[in-house]
Amino acid sequence: GAVVSQHPSWVICKSGTSVKIECRSLDFQATTMFWYRQFPKQSLMLMATSNEGSKATYEQGVEKDKFLINHASLTLSTLTVTSAHPEDSSFYICSASVLPGGTGELFFGEGSRLTVL
Amino acid sequence: TQLLEQSPQFLSIQEGENLTVYCNSSSVFSSLQWYRQEPGEGPVLLVTVVTGGEVKKLKRLTFQFGDARKDSSLHITAAQPGDTGLYLCAGAEAGSYQLTFGKGTKLSVIP
Repeated sequence: GAVVSQHPSWVICKSGTSVKIECRSLDFQATTMFWYRQFPKQSLMLMATSNEGSKATYEQGVEKDKFLINHASLTLSTLTVTSAHPEDSSFYICSASVLPGGTGELFFGEGSRLTVL
Repeated sequence: TQLLEQSPQFLSIQEGENLTVYCNSSSVFSSLQWYRQEPGEGPVLLVTVVTGGEVKKLKRLTFQFGDARKDSSLHITAAQPGDTGLYLCAGAEAGSYQLTFGKGTKLSVIP
C-alpha cells in the first residue's frame, strides 16, 4: 500500500514555543490530507482537511490561528502548533488518499506525539 | 456530524476465544471502515464495507455491514495475542470523504 510518513515521531517542547509536524506521502501524490488529534484512550478526532494550494478547512472548535496548516506541495502537508501549551499535548496523526478529493482508501502516518512541558 | 458508538470499549480475553465488536449509529453511512491501531502508531485499514448486508472475511476476522448501513460488527475467531490492539470503526456520509471515528475498542488477548 501507499506510504505516509510523519516527522517527528516524538517532540517535547516548552510551553509557548511553536512546533511543526510534517506529513509526507512518499510514493503518491495527495491533493487532500487530513489531520487528526488523539488524546490518550480516546479515538481520532478530525482537526482539519488540508488541500494542496488552498486554505485548510477546519472542524468546528479547532482554532485555525493556533493550528496552522500548510499544504504547499502534492506530497507534503505541515501542521504547526503555535504557542503550544500543556493542553495541546496529544498524538497528532495525518492521513492521505491516493485519489483526488480525498476519496478512496486513506493511508495514515505513524503519528507524532507532542508533549508540552 | 454522524456519531458512531462502539462497544465494548475494553475487552480482555484468553487466547483461542471468540469475540465480537459492534459499531452502531442512528445515521446511514455510504461506507464504513475498520482500522486497527497499535500504541504509538497510526491506524491501519483492515476493511471497507459499502453494501448493506455485506460480509467480508480477512483470515480469522469477519466484518459485517448492517442491512440498513447503520451498523457494523467485527468478529474475531480464535483470538491470538497478535490481535491485541485498538480497533476503530469509521464511517463516511454519502458524498463525503471525511471519516467519523468511533471511540474504539481496546482488545487484549492474553496468552
